[in-house]
Amino acid sequence: EVQLVESGGDLVQPGGSLRLSCAASGFTFSDHYMDWVRQAPGKGLEWVGRIRDKAHSYTTEYAASVKGRFTISRDDSRNSLSLQMNSLKTEDTAVYYCARGFCYGDTCYAGGNWGQGTLVTVSS
Amino acid sequence: DIQLTQSPSFLSASVGDRVTITCRASQAFSIYLAWFQQKPGKAPKLLIYAASTLQSGVPSRFSGSGSGTEFTLTISSLQPEDFATYYCQQLQSYPLTFGGGTKVEIK
Repeated sequence: EVQLVESGGDLVQPGGSLRLSCAASGFTFSDHYMDWVRQAPGKGLEWVGRIRDKAHSYTTEYAASVKGRFTISRDDSRNSLSLQMNSLKTEDTAVYYCARGFCYGDTCYAGGNWGQGTLVTVSS
Repeated sequence: DIQLTQSPSFLSASVGDRVTITCRASQAFSIYLAWFQQKPGKAPKLLIYAASTLQSGVPSRFSGSGSGTEFTLTISSLQPEDFATYYCQQLQSYPLTFGGGTKVEIK
């Protein structure tokens, strides 16, 4: 069974940093793109970013709202995904989900499986 | 960036109703669209990808269609467990974007 378990969510002050982790099991983690998606309280879904697999050089993509502040990384030996968040703003307050990507045809879709989410609150 | 506009943003329907949700894109693209269902306090669940391919385990009352700038999600006969919020997502280009969501409530 595919499992994704996020951790690391916390209350942090504006301008601060936080690192989220996502522990994966039940599938060959190294073969999959991975995404982070967030949801502010009472709002819709917002894609945060993606990291590709080793075959695609672990390259990353980010939403404009987080580019330059957030960094996605992965450790295939530990089946682990991370999101390093710096220079946090109040508008980064959200539940953060990690999601397993899968490729079909000539594109790779996000969200084949999701974790339960971890809450990040940015407030003074 | 490709903007996705869902309509309606809210709909009230009865069990057994046929429901259609539309996702309109600011730029045309082929089939790189997915639909998700989300229930309160839960993670989203993938329903459809490649515009019309049903994810494994998803009931056949859900279907997707469309290409270009207009895509639809149809629930042929609404069931009690289908009351939720639905989102479309495009994977044509980065940044990936979601529609604003459609909340389906019980009439």
